[in-house]
Amino acid sequence: QTVVTQEPSFSVSPGGTVTLTCGLSSGSVSTSYYPSWYQQTPGQAPRTLIYSTNTRSSGVPDRFSGSILGNKAALTITGAQADDDSDYYCVLYMGSGILVFGGGTKVTVL
Amino acid sequence: QLQLQESGPGLVKPSETLSLTCTVSGGSISSSSYYWDWIRQPPGKGLEWIGSVYYDGSTYYNPSLNSRVTISVDTSKNQFSLRLSSVTAADTAVYYCARQPNYYDSGTYYYYYMDVWGKGTTVTVSS
Repeated sequence: QTVVTQEPSFSVSPGGTVTLTCGLSSGSVSTSYYPSWYQQTPGQAPRTLIYSTNTRSSGVPDRFSGSILGNKAALTITGAQADDDSDYYCVLYMGSGILVFGGGTKVTVL
Repeated sequence: QLQLQESGPGLVKPSETLSLTCTVSGGSISSSSYYWDWIRQPPGKGLEWIGSVYYDGSTYYNPSLNSRVTISVDTSKNQFSLRLSSVTAADTAVYYCARQPNYYDSGTYYYYYMDVWGKGTTVTVSS
């Protein structure tokens, strides 16, 4: 079974830029996987940030952007703020109606 | 504004069946533009997609849970439900329901992501 991979953790300074990636244990991620990204803080439901690779969900600040970088999907936070300190999850569409979450990346802003 | 609310027992005994319901308000579950999903998160761990249901009852399931999962829809009550059989402690988690868009409009594909989430409900499996 294909595993969706994410970095376990990242640290970024306030105002800095960080790029999280979402890959496959076997193969390359393309737009055909419809990558989406979610932000979650402790005790809260996830919040949808990005869908269809690079489309921001309603109300999401433009400091969040999605793309394909090489063979992975990517979420870039430009100008990180304190309230970006969260867990971030990607989801890939695997075909036949199946969605798979990545293991998540914990982003610390300090 | 669409809202989703999970409900069901917070405690289930091992080997029994976990049953949860998601009530949809502010919109119709019978829309052809959406699937309706269940996702879970064990304590201290990541999110796991469980499966989805369409208004016509068609379903997709996570292959790792397929043999134990049933997701159904009740359009008359604007609800959809999750049943997970033969539960063990590993099924202890926060369970979320969510809406998954499934339509094409004005050159944009709205597919294969969750756009509205419930607040989640905690289910503990213990004797």
